[in-house]
Amino acid sequence: QAGLTQPPSVSKGLTQTATLTCTGNNNNVGYQGVAWVQQHQGHPPKLLSYRNNQRPSGISERFSASRSGNIASLTITGLQPDDEADYFCSAWDSSLSAWVFGGGTKLIVL
Amino acid sequence: QVQLVESGGGVVQPGMSPRLSCEASGFTLSKHAIHWVRQAPGQGLEWVAGITYDGSNKYYADSVKGRFTISRDNSKNTLYLQLSSLRSNDTALYYCAREGNGSPDLWGQGTLVTVSS
Repeated sequence: QAGLTQPPSVSKGLTQTATLTCTGNNNNVGYQGVAWVQQHQGHPPKLLSYRNNQRPSGISERFSASRSGNIASLTITGLQPDDEADYFCSAWDSSLSAWVFGGGTKLIVL
Repeated sequence: QVQLVESGGGVVQPGMSPRLSCEASGFTLSKHAIHWVRQAPGQGLEWVAGITYDGSNKYYADSVKGRFTISRDNSKNTLYLQLSSLRSNDTALYYCAREGNGSPDLWGQGTLVTVSS
């Protein structure tokens, strides 16, 4: 099943801002909305954002998400060492009747 | 404590048919769709299967369709994934994930399935 497209890695400096992208189509990203999860090495994923731009309770305001057409974005401001992790986007695909994930972006904080 | 706990993984031979379990606690399982998502070593997340809150609809990835079966017993707060016709590329950490607001809002710690002859 076709997935969502994410850049494999992004590198940014401490305290800088990183923007991660996720590209899909009208059946997934452009359909019901996108979620973002963060995964640290050796740990399960953790939800950061849902329905394109909603933040669960307990998630820092430094994490913000948006969507424009079939491209979703996750912006992380004031980068900290603990932000170094893998980030995956996901969405329900109405044509496949399946959740699809992006390949993940490894965020490197320099 | 709101959590999902998976079990049933281990080293399995290609002809075996293990059943994975996912037990929920701290919330009402019957109010949520639940999904299985797997992660092969060093790889990304791959959705495997999903089931609606009442079990009336089930969905599968093409890679497991006809081989894996998802089910649930809300009276036991437990979700299941029956595996069969296993292949080496089914080796992965299998997570169950609760669906909330259309997104995977709660994940378990995962159970590792290693397919090896």
